[in-house]
Amino acid sequence: DQQVKQNSPSLSVQEGRISILNCDYTNSMFDYFLWYKKYPAEGPTFLISISSIKDKNEDGRFTVFLNKSAKHLSLHIVPSQPGDSAVYFCAASPKGGTSYGKLTFGQGTILTVHP
Amino acid sequence: NAGVTQTPKFQVLKTGQSMTLQCAQDMNHNSMYWYRQDPGMGLRLIYYSASEGTTDKGEVPNGYNVSRLNKREFSLRLESAAPSQTSVYFCASGWVGDQPQHFGDGTRLSIL
Repeated sequence: DQQVKQNSPSLSVQEGRISILNCDYTNSMFDYFLWYKKYPAEGPTFLISISSIKDKNEDGRFTVFLNKSAKHLSLHIVPSQPGDSAVYFCAASPKGGTSYGKLTFGQGTILTVHP
Repeated sequence: NAGVTQTPKFQVLKTGQSMTLQCAQDMNHNSMYWYRQDPGMGLRLIYYSASEGTTDKGEVPNGYNVSRLNKREFSLRLESAAPSQTSVYFCASGWVGDQPQHFGDGTRLSIL
């Protein structure tokens, strides 16, 4: 049972355009959501996060949107750059207590930004 | 540079052999984690340690043991390796909120 799903295995965009990566979740106990970027032969790198009390969080070119009623989040990258080409994972953490911090990851989306 | 260090980076084992994957962090985080990544499945939590002296099972703990040696170090042991344990293993430290999890560069493990 995949509790966090990234239904698009890959996405290709032109440099300077917007990249939109999507993520859906099924567990209503998830309270905190994160996006990680991963280059080949490296570990995932934290990108941006959002708490369930918010519906938007921005950091430079990266914005994460959360729609709790739809159990959906998205990552917007504007403008996209060739260096953004990587695998992007969304992850979710349940609410407090002993399970807080135990991340559940999606399958990842390969983003390719063409010059 | 501050971060999470994993050793070894690569390892090939025969079925039935044992080995320990090492992980150390220098960010003074209380929580540490072990994940495995298989093709098309993202990262799955094997074990985690919320603080020194405590460990707990994650999503896929079977076939593994862990030791939280001190605040810095968290090791993962395969007692009798199986081909199904061929994977890339990532160690992480941190939590959520102000301390998002930081990952090491992984150990690529092949079991023949």
